Amino acid sequence: GQSLEQPSEVTAVEGAIVQINCTYQTSGFYGLSWYQQHDGGAPTFLSYNALDGLEETGRFSSFLSRSDSYGYLLLQELQMKDSASYFCAVHNNAGNMLTFGGGTRLMVKP
Amino acid sequence: DTAVSQTPKYLVTQMGNDKSIKCEQNLGHDTMYWYKQDSKKFLKIMFSYNNKELIINETVPNRFSPKSPDKAHLNLHINSLELGDSAVYFCASSLTGRTEAFFGQGTRLTVV
Repeated sequence: GQSLEQPSEVTAVEGAIVQINCTYQTSGFYGLSWYQQHDGGAPTFLSYNALDGLEETGRFSSFLSRSDSYGYLLLQELQMKDSASYFCAVHNNAGNMLTFGGGTRLMVKP
Repeated sequence: DTAVSQTPKYLVTQMGNDKSIKCEQNLGHDTMYWYKQDSKKFLKIMFSYNNKELIINETVPNRFSPKSPDKAHLNLHINSLELGDSAVYFCASSLTGRTEAFFGQGTRLTVV
């Protein structure tokens, strides 16, 4: 089977940096994605890592270590609008299925 | 010009009824999905479907069935609705070889 672990909640202040970790267990691993979901909204794609290392997209960066089955999402210069749930998701070779973690609720405070 | 659209957005129905949720994508994607998000925000894959094969999550009850009239549509039929089916259902689509999935706005199903 597959499992993903991420913290349920993280709180940070505006302007700060926060890291959301994700550990996974899966067979046939292809890569790790991150999605953002605001309350009442749909998940939206943030980033994808297939190889080890850091991928940077503006204020958001994502890291993957395949040997450690671990990744993280780094959010810099936090803004109030970043308050949302963040999900890691694994791609594997079982068709096109995308399996999500339980999500991390990020609360950004003034 | 919504990329992935679902109807209805809200659905309230009684136990035992049969209902359908429609999904359409105009992105030219070849794979569509249904996800269920419960009250604790867990996003669970239900089905993955392209023009070649249907992949079913084995934990999904057979009261749930996807129906695809064409590549741009994947509807979800639910028979004999139960209280535990209350959740938000998301349709999504992607293109084989690409990693990004696009989600619809969700259908909040409430079974009373």
